[in-house]
Amino acid sequence: GENVEQHPSTLSVQEGDSAVIKCTYSDSASNYFPWYKQELGKRPQLIIDIRSNVGEKKDQRIAVTLNKTAKHFSLHITETQPEDSAVYFCAASMGTYKYIFGTGTRLKVLA
Amino acid sequence: SAVISQKPSRDICQRGTSLTIQCQVDSQVTMMFWYRQQPGQSLTLIATANQGSEATYESGFVIDKFPISRPNLTFSTLTVSNMSPEDSSIYLCSAGTGAYEQYFGPGTRLTVT
Repeated sequence: GENVEQHPSTLSVQEGDSAVIKCTYSDSASNYFPWYKQELGKRPQLIIDIRSNVGEKKDQRIAVTLNKTAKHFSLHITETQPEDSAVYFCAASMGTYKYIFGTGTRLKVLA
Repeated sequence: SAVISQKPSRDICQRGTSLTIQCQVDSQVTMMFWYRQQPGQSLTLIATANQGSEATYESGFVIDKFPISRPNLTFSTLTVSNMSPEDSSIYLCSAGTGAYEQYFGPGTRLTVT
């Protein structure tokens, strides 16, 4: 079945620097890749997603890139701010609503 | 998107008892799901709640332990039955809207003593 690996598990960056989180999926039939941000004690929130017919998508300071050949996708956060500190989860879906989640990345933005 | 609420937000239960968690969506949605999230861990799908038919369970989860109801397109319940301390976790429902997006409820923090 589908498996999603996520790296790194923790990431510390200085405020204003960029952060990159990478995920690799196993099933080439996967075609939808959302990213969620979960603050402590809160629900996961969808922050950006990408479909397999697109190579890159950007929304203000966050962007996601997809490499279908290598079966990996990445979240890029530029000009990080303390409020970006949270756990980020990637997921992969094969064109249904069923998601396989990555293991999560704890991002700390140091002021 | 959809606005999703859950009740209760947290509970402390004794082993051997059952707890029913409610999930309400502010609009009709095609798909509803139930997840479990252990502290500091990722989200694990328990089952898909199907309207008008039995839920579809993932490997490792069974109907006798986690019975699910979905009487309409805006509401679902998850029951955690015959609880043990290992069931202590956060239980989240989600709703599928649009083209594959899922939105999550705030979660129910369950502690079993």
